Amino acid sequence: QVQLQESGPGLVKPSQTLSLTCSVSGGSISSGSYYWSWIRQPAGKGLEWIGRIYASGTANYNPSLKSRVTISVDTSKNQFSLKMTSVTAADTAVYYCARGGTTGTYWFDAWGQGTLVSVSS
Amino acid sequence: DIVMTQSPDSLAVSLGEGATINCQSSQSILYSSNNKNYLAWYQQKPGQPPKLLIYWASTRESGVADRFSGSGSGTDFTLTISNLQAEDVAVYYCQQYYSTPYGFGQGTKLEIK
Repeated sequence: QVQLQESGPGLVKPSQTLSLTCSVSGGSISSGSYYWSWIRQPAGKGLEWIGRIYASGTANYNPSLKSRVTISVDTSKNQFSLKMTSVTAADTAVYYCARGGTTGTYWFDAWGQGTLVSVSS
Repeated sequence: DIVMTQSPDSLAVSLGEGATINCQSSQSILYSSNNKNYLAWYQQKPGQPPKLLIYWASTRESGVADRFSGSGSGTDFTLTISNLQAEDVAVYYCQQYYSTPYGFGQGTKLEIK
């Protein structure tokens, strides 16, 4: 049973960079059978897909965030990461990492518990 | 981008009754080459991440109660919950995975009447 766990600072100052890591256990990112995504949810609101990465390092981003977001993968540590620059209060949200399939099976079948990131001075 | 719109935003249903949640996509998410609808449904309880219920619009995820069923095609989809149980209280989201950026509906909050 794959498990995902987000980690990173819970508080980030405006204009700074948000950095989160997702650690995967019970399965290997290198298997190449899945995409690995970041999804966020502001308090009391809906879900927004941020982007995804494949084991090879190929990434796709939501155009609404693309200029500020970088997703990277470290297969040796079985982790993938999110960096978001120039954050504002609007970036305050619970950030989830999730697993999605490949070749059309792009739903998210495994999620981390989520980590709350607040943007405030 | 494909926009997903759910209705209603909230509903209250009596225990043992049925609940119906609708989801509409701004363009067809039926892929003609395999005749599959690229739509998933999730359940999210307070303080928890979303849980996958259904994919391909109507295929239940392993372990999901058969009280949950999905239907629809093209742009209009429905999640039906029969024989409502107390543990079904949650927010339900639809999601299209036809094209990036993947989009979710705004959510439908299901409560017990």
